[in-house]
Amino acid sequence: DGGITQSPKYLFRKEGQNVTLSCEQNLNHDAMYWYRQDPGQGLRLIYYSQIVNDFQKGDIAEGYSVSREKKESFPLTVTSAQKNPTAFYLCASSLIRQVNQPQHFGDGTRLSIL
Amino acid sequence: GQQVMQIPQYQHVQEGEDFTTYCNSSTTLSNIQWYKQRPGGHPVFLIQLVKSGEVKKQKRLTFQFGEAKKNSSLHITATQTTDVGTYFCAGPSNYGQNFVFGPGTRLSVLP
Repeated sequence: DGGITQSPKYLFRKEGQNVTLSCEQNLNHDAMYWYRQDPGQGLRLIYYSQIVNDFQKGDIAEGYSVSREKKESFPLTVTSAQKNPTAFYLCASSLIRQVNQPQHFGDGTRLSIL
Repeated sequence: GQQVMQIPQYQHVQEGEDFTTYCNSSTTLSNIQWYKQRPGGHPVFLIQLVKSGEVKKQKRLTFQFGEAKKNSSLHITATQTTDVGTYFCAGPSNYGQNFVFGPGTRLSVLP
């Protein structure tokens, strides 16, 4: 089955700690995205990548970092600079935006502060 | 900057009643997508509209794209408890190769 796998499902972060959220897709999609969702809120874009070794900041990139070394993988690091990291993090992928392809989402990672 | 708004924010209906959510963009969109997120789940793509004035149906769901391509609506006829969730609209960003999501409309259906 093709899809997007996010891990872990739940993650706890200690003060001053960096944590990395994994996102892997086997859909052969070019574009990948990271969103943050707070309780009862919509989706806010953190970072996105249209191609390997390239990525762009979204609306709320501060305190986060990403890499795109492989087409299948787009990990997100929540750094200690992100003072309010508690949220639901969603990874998505699509073929490419220009042809108006839908986004496919993973099951998400819930991050909390210890 | 570009904004995508949705109303209402919340809607509570009795099972069997109809439901409509409206999506409005501050800029013209080349297309609009609709997603559904069940409680505790992730957004799932429902449909995409591309043409001005386009209307598409999926069983009890009717989607419409405005003539000016700046607004859209989702109408559910005779809601069921399985319709519970948050419905998001999304459009391509005018400033980058990404999407802009509306804040969503959360639907509750009372049995």
